[in-house]
Amino acid sequence: QQPVQSPQAVILREGEDAVINCSSSKALYSVHWYRQKHGEAPVFLMILLKGGEQKGHDKISASFNEKKQQSSLYLTASQLSYSGTYFCGTGGGANNLFFGTGTRLTVIP
Amino acid sequence: DAGVIQSPRHEVTEMGQEVTLRCKPISGHNSLFWYRQTMMRGLELLIYFNNNVPIDDSGMPEDRFSAKMPNASFSTLKIQPSEPRDSAVYFCASSYSGVDYEQYFGPGTRLTVT
Repeated sequence: QQPVQSPQAVILREGEDAVINCSSSKALYSVHWYRQKHGEAPVFLMILLKGGEQKGHDKISASFNEKKQQSSLYLTASQLSYSGTYFCGTGGGANNLFFGTGTRLTVIP
Repeated sequence: DAGVIQSPRHEVTEMGQEVTLRCKPISGHNSLFWYRQTMMRGLELLIYFNNNVPIDDSGMPEDRFSAKMPNASFSTLKIQPSEPRDSAVYFCASSYSGVDYEQYFGPGTRLTVT
C-alpha cells in the first residue's frame, strides 16, 4: 500500500522548477506532503483531502487527482532551502497512513 | 510550545536487551503516532493513538514491539527483546486530532542494536 514517488532524485539550479509525483494503487482520501532535511525530522508541508483541490504554500503547491489516485507537488523558483527529501503520505480514510520512499531534491547555486 | 519531546536521542544496546523509547506530545494534541525510519523500508507508521487509546497498531512489526499511552502527555514504545534489524530512527509525532491533521514530529531516537 506504499505509494510510489517519482522521480527518486532530482538536481536543480536555483530558480528552476520541479514536480514530484505520488501515485497509489488504492483509493485515496488524503495526501500528505512532508520535507525532511538530512539528520532532521520530517516537517509538514500540506495536506490535501479528496475533492481534487489544489493548495499552495509560498512557492510550493500541490494537486490531488482523486480519480487517478495521484498527487503532484510543484516547486517553483527553487531556493537552496528547498533541498531535502520530500515524502508523500497517502491515507485511505481508515486511520492509516503510508509514506512513499521519498524524492531527494538538491538545489545548487 | 517546546514541541514533541523524545528521549533518549541515541540508544545503543545489545541484542536481547529491552529498549524503551519515550515521547511527550505537544500539549493539547489528541493524537500521537510512532514511526520507524530505515533506508530499506522508509518511513513506516507503527501505531497511532487517539485520546490515549490505540486506534491502529497494524504497523507494529512483531509481538516484540509494544506501545502504551498512560496519559495525554506521555507515551512509550518498548522493544523486548531487541534484535539488530530493529536498528532505525524512531520518530514520535502528534497532531491536533487524527491522521488527517498536520503532524509535528519529534527529533527522533536513533536506535542501534548490536
